[in-house]
Amino acid sequence: DAKTTQPNSMESNEEEPVHLPCNHSTISGTDYIHWYRQLPSQGPEYVIHGLTSNVNNRMASLAIAEDRKSSTLILHRATLRDAAVYYCILRDLDQAGTALIFGKGTTLSVSS
Amino acid sequence: EAGVAQSPRYKIIEKRQSVAFWCNPISGHATLYWYQQILGQGPKLLIQFQNNGVVDDSQLPKDRFSAERLKGVDSTLKIQPAKLEDSAVYLCASSPMVSSYNEQFFGPGTRLTVL
Repeated sequence: DAKTTQPNSMESNEEEPVHLPCNHSTISGTDYIHWYRQLPSQGPEYVIHGLTSNVNNRMASLAIAEDRKSSTLILHRATLRDAAVYYCILRDLDQAGTALIFGKGTTLSVSS
Repeated sequence: EAGVAQSPRYKIIEKRQSVAFWCNPISGHATLYWYQQILGQGPKLLIQFQNNGVVDDSQLPKDRFSAERLKGVDSTLKIQPAKLEDSAVYLCASSPMVSSYNEQFFGPGTRLTVL
């Protein structure tokens, strides 16, 4: 799987938007961009995924650069419950059944 | 829908002892994964099952780790004998067999401390 680069940590205030960046300059045409997050003392949970177009769901939005070499996970209004480690992971469509390869992710802190 | 169940949640053992972890995936999920997460790192795959067959165990330390999924449902991961460096959280995940997006559902994990 292609490599992703994320900042080690970010801070946010409650009720403010958060933009979590991810660089993936070696992404291939069949790589999907997935985001998972891991709340303290829990297993990771799926957040969102996309291929080329921006995506929205109830948890977040995913903005994908036109050249697909970077993407941004957007939390529109951060809450204390959003404090977690966020992982950006590339998944080749042809490898849909294989394991996820996690990096160190971005630790998001949210202050009230 | 019930999530992935794991037990125990915590385990403390002495080095050279044996330990076993249990996982019950989401009903109907054919694929089951065991991951190891060392403090400060992302999870790393140990073994992947498709039904009761092993798909990938290339990163499983087979001299001490073993896993089985006999009836294609729940699974057990065993460490024998444990080493200090095995201290970690062991995560079980499952996903449906036919899923082009491969969303994985994780259990809460078992935190192992080896003294």
